[in-house]
Amino acid sequence: AQKVTQAQTEISVVEKEDVTLDCVYETRDTTYYLFWYKQPPSGELVFLIRRNSFDEQNEISGRYSWNFQKSTSSFNFTITASQVVDSAVYFCALSEVQSGGSNYKLTFGKGTLLTVNP
Amino acid sequence: EPEVTQTPSHQVTQMGQEVILRCVPISNHLYFYWYRQILGQKVEFLVSFYNNEISEKSEIFDDQFSVERPDGSNFTLKIRSTKLEDSAMYFCASETNRGPNEQYFGPGTRLTVT
Repeated sequence: AQKVTQAQTEISVVEKEDVTLDCVYETRDTTYYLFWYKQPPSGELVFLIRRNSFDEQNEISGRYSWNFQKSTSSFNFTITASQVVDSAVYFCALSEVQSGGSNYKLTFGKGTLLTVNP
Repeated sequence: EPEVTQTPSHQVTQMGQEVILRCVPISNHLYFYWYRQILGQKVEFLVSFYNNEISEKSEIFDDQFSVERPDGSNFTLKIRSTKLEDSAMYFCASETNRGPNEQYFGPGTRLTVT
């Protein structure tokens, strides 16, 4: 069964600090996808990134970067120069490729509440 | 930009009552999902729907739950006889062709069972 662990329940930083959110996953599949979603206080789920298991290249998008390491089953997320608007709950999620391609359900971690203080 | 919509945004109901949560997925999407999030907890998968049938359901999705896609646009989740523990935020999501791709989530319906 697939599982996603986000060991950090809450993180609090001061604006402009860098912060890394950890995500460790478990899966028996060789083909899988990893995601990060942001849930701001307003409650919606905002897609941030998708990564497939064959692509270990790190990705950078503005102040966001992701480090995918299959050897440690981790997919960590770093925010550089954090801002107050980054305050949210961040969820890591895993999707396995189901047989027949009829279902790509997401298994979410418990989330990390990030608070960025001015 | 196309988006997933959900109605109502908040539903209050009494225990034992039936509720129907409605979702309008993005029009050319093929995969549909319901997830729920109990307050302060993680988002949990309920059910996936593809080609007009359920493709997978979780342990949470018992006989009290059902889903329907009655026409080409709506995707509904029905809870036949609500329990207090059904109180949660329910998210609908849709996804385009063979993925997994980005699942587009609706804004959610907050269900409160009293």
